[in-house]
Amino acid sequence: EDQVTQSPEALRLQEGESSSLNCSYTVSGLRGLFWYRQDPGKGPEFLFTLYSAGEEKEKERLKATLTKKESFLHITAPKPEDSATYLCAVQASHSSASKIIFGSGTRLSIRP
Amino acid sequence: GAVVSQHPSRVICKSGTSVKIECRSLDFQATTMFWYRQFPKKSLMLMATSNEGSKATYEQGVEKDKFLINHASLTLSTLTVTSAHPEDSSFYICSAWTSGSRLQETQYFGPGTRLLVL
Repeated sequence: EDQVTQSPEALRLQEGESSSLNCSYTVSGLRGLFWYRQDPGKGPEFLFTLYSAGEEKEKERLKATLTKKESFLHITAPKPEDSATYLCAVQASHSSASKIIFGSGTRLSIRP
Repeated sequence: GAVVSQHPSRVICKSGTSVKIECRSLDFQATTMFWYRQFPKKSLMLMATSNEGSKATYEQGVEKDKFLINHASLTLSTLTVTSAHPEDSSFYICSAWTSGSRLQETQYFGPGTRLLVL
């Protein structure tokens, strides 16, 4: 069964304190791995798509990396505005109609 | 990136009434749209996959007669919650799948609709 597990469930950091969020996945044939950011009361905002092991993508203070079993979202010198829930999702190569499976998310809180 | 809109952003209705939520892809065509439900501090729960011109595919446990989905055009999908009850109160979010060279192949999400049934 395809599965996505995110850890930690919640993370509190001081402003400027770098850290990483983890997304472990089990899927029979990865077609794509996605990272989203969700603010309270809003829909998820697309951040990155990763397709193959070794791939990396960056956007401002965020960098996503991918291995054959997991993905990391590295946050460098975070600011309070980076506080949000970060969602990881995978699309299996056997899945139909663009369906993706979401993890439960990591709630990130950055203290000023 | 791609823009997906939802309307209304929030709605309050009486128990027993029906509520329609619209999801539009504003700057691209989407043959496939998705409807999710989200409870407080929980992740997204896929309700159904909506395909333009055909019947929606519902996830296990989702009542198709209660949550009516129509995908009449390449830019519009609607979700109608029929005979709503308080337990249907939730945050409903739609997404649209993109493909092609201009946009990355992924799901882009609408801003969500907060439904409160009294």
